[in-house]
This record gives sequence, C-alpha cells and structure tokens, in this order.
Amino acid sequence: SQTIHQWPATLVQPVGSPLSLECTVEGTSNPNLYWYRQAAGRGLQLLFYSVGIGQISSEVPQNLSASRPQDRQFILSSKKLLLSDSGFYLCAWTGGDRKKLFFGSGTQLSVL
Amino acid sequence: AQSVTQPDIHITVSEGASLELRCNYSYGATPYLFWYVQSPGQGLQLLLKYFSGDTLVQGIKGFEAEFKRSQSSFNLRKPSVHWSDAAEYFCAVGFFGNEKLTFGTGTRLTIIP
Repeated sequence: SQTIHQWPATLVQPVGSPLSLECTVEGTSNPNLYWYRQAAGRGLQLLFYSVGIGQISSEVPQNLSASRPQDRQFILSSKKLLLSDSGFYLCAWTGGDRKKLFFGSGTQLSVL
Repeated sequence: AQSVTQPDIHITVSEGASLELRCNYSYGATPYLFWYVQSPGQGLQLLLKYFSGDTLVQGIKGFEAEFKRSQSSFNLRKPSVHWSDAAEYFCAVGFFGNEKLTFGTGTRLTIIP
C-alpha cells in the first residue's frame, strides 16, 4: 500500500537559519507531489507542485524553494527563514487516478 | 478563479447531536468536491469526495455530503457526532484535468459532553 512520510513533525528555527523539510512516498511511482502551508487562522495554500523529477512549479512567490531529486522524494527548503515562514507544512501526493490527494502528517514550523 | 467558502469558522455541538458543516464554491465548470478532516497535530484525511453521479455521497466515519449544483454547495453532515469527531474540517474544490485543489479556510468543530 502507498504511504507518505514527512519529517520532522515539529521544528523550531531562528530567523535567518536554513530549512530543509523532506517528504517521501512509498508504494507508487511517478506521483504528483505537493507542498502546502497552513498559516494560523488561514486555509491551506499550495506552495509548490511537481509532476516529475526536477520539475517544480511555484504557485506563489516566497522565501521558499522546492526540489525533487528522486521520483518519490520532495524537499522544501529555505536559505534564510523569516518569521512569516512559520506555519504547518503538509506534503501531499496524488495517486494513479490523479483525483485523490493524500497528505502526510505535517511539520509544524516555528520561526523565532 | 475558483474559490471555496466555509462560512463557519467554529462550530460547537453536543455529543450525539446532528452536524452540518457548510461549504460553498465558486467555479464555472463542474467541480470535483472533497471534504478533509485534520485532527490536532496531524495531516489531512479524506472523508469523502464527489466527482459525478449520485449527489449524495457517503464517506468514512459516518459522514455524508450532498452536492447541490443550484446552490453551489457541498455541505457535510453527520446524524450523531462523537467526541472523536472534534477536529478541523476542510472543504476543497478541484476540476477535471487538474488535480490541484483549492481549499476553504476550514471549520473547527468542538464537541461538548
């Protein structure tokens, strides 16, 4: 069966420090992968999506970047975190029918 | 552009009472509609989805939702809530050929004894 792993679950980082969040999917091949962010009091916002290795689309301009070095690995990064980067980050993927979105357990990022 | 509105930010119901969470969307084409639940500190779980066909959709955990095209709504219902249903509920809209979803801002459900 397919599973999605996202880590770490929680992260506290100082302003100006780098960031790397990792997401991996098992049990499927060539998934579409997504990074979402939920800021406090707001809905989910799509940050990046990827349809294949090395193919990244950014939905909103921001201080973050994403990479997909392998088919089932999706990484969210920042060179220098801002206070406004705090939030709950969710990795997600779509299955073979491309209609159902499955989410990881999320990473709660606090930038202090 | 498509949009999703969940007009209720927070709802409190008694355990055993019925529940209805509202969701309205704005989109020109026939949408795909989803309800997700997010338990505290966890990721999202798909409750149910509507693609086509019967407008009354059954989901997991005893939830159902009805697609009403004339009202552009996809409200989530449960006849009798349990304390474990306390969570954040998100409505989402997608459309054919593009699996990216637009989410509502969520409704927080609190259950009181």
